[in-house]
Amino acid sequence: EVQLVESGGGLVQPGGSLRLSCSASGFAFSSYWMHWVRQAPGKGLVWVSRINSDGSSSTYADSVKGRFTISRDNAKNTLFLQMNSLRAEDTAVYYCTRDVANWGQGTLVTVSS
Amino acid sequence: EIVLTQSPGTLSLSPGERATLSCRASQSVSSTSLAWYQQKPGQAPRLLIYGASSRATGIPDTFSGSGSGTDFTLTISRLEPEDFAVYYCQQYGSSPWTFGQGTKVEIK
Repeated sequence: EVQLVESGGGLVQPGGSLRLSCSASGFAFSSYWMHWVRQAPGKGLVWVSRINSDGSSSTYADSVKGRFTISRDNAKNTLFLQMNSLRAEDTAVYYCTRDVANWGQGTLVTVSS
Repeated sequence: EIVLTQSPGTLSLSPGERATLSCRASQSVSSTSLAWYQQKPGQAPRLLIYGASSRATGIPDTFSGSGSGTDFTLTISRLEPEDFAVYYCQQYGSSPWTFGQGTKVEIK
């Protein structure tokens, strides 16, 4: 069974940093591209970033480009999202996904003073 | 990027009624790359339909998807109490993934 478990969310001040993790199990993690999708409170789903299977290529939504960095450790079956220069509008639940069928439960990031 | 527009924004129906949700794309979407999700408060999205018309594992046959090109439809043939939720369409064939803004199906 595919399992994706996010962690690392919390309350952070504007301008601060946070690193999200997504622990994967039940599949060959190193063979799959992975994505982060976020959802602000009461709002819709927004794609944030994706990384290819060996970590050599990544893309970002314009809203996070230059501030967020996606990475992975295939030896530890873990996906990361390093978030710097956080803004109030980054407040959201962050989901990691393997594909349309497999999502984590999400981790809440709140950016507030 | 492909913009997806869902309509209506809110659908007010009674249990047992039929729900028809629309998703229109700003440019052609590969029919193999259009998905529909159901989301309830505090939960992750749940995949209902992929490839425009294929039901995901465990999804009842009251849910069906259709369409191609720029116009897609999710139909719930008879609403059960647990079907009242927010529904999103998504295209995953072109980068970046994009989602519609959602349709809320509420109890009338």
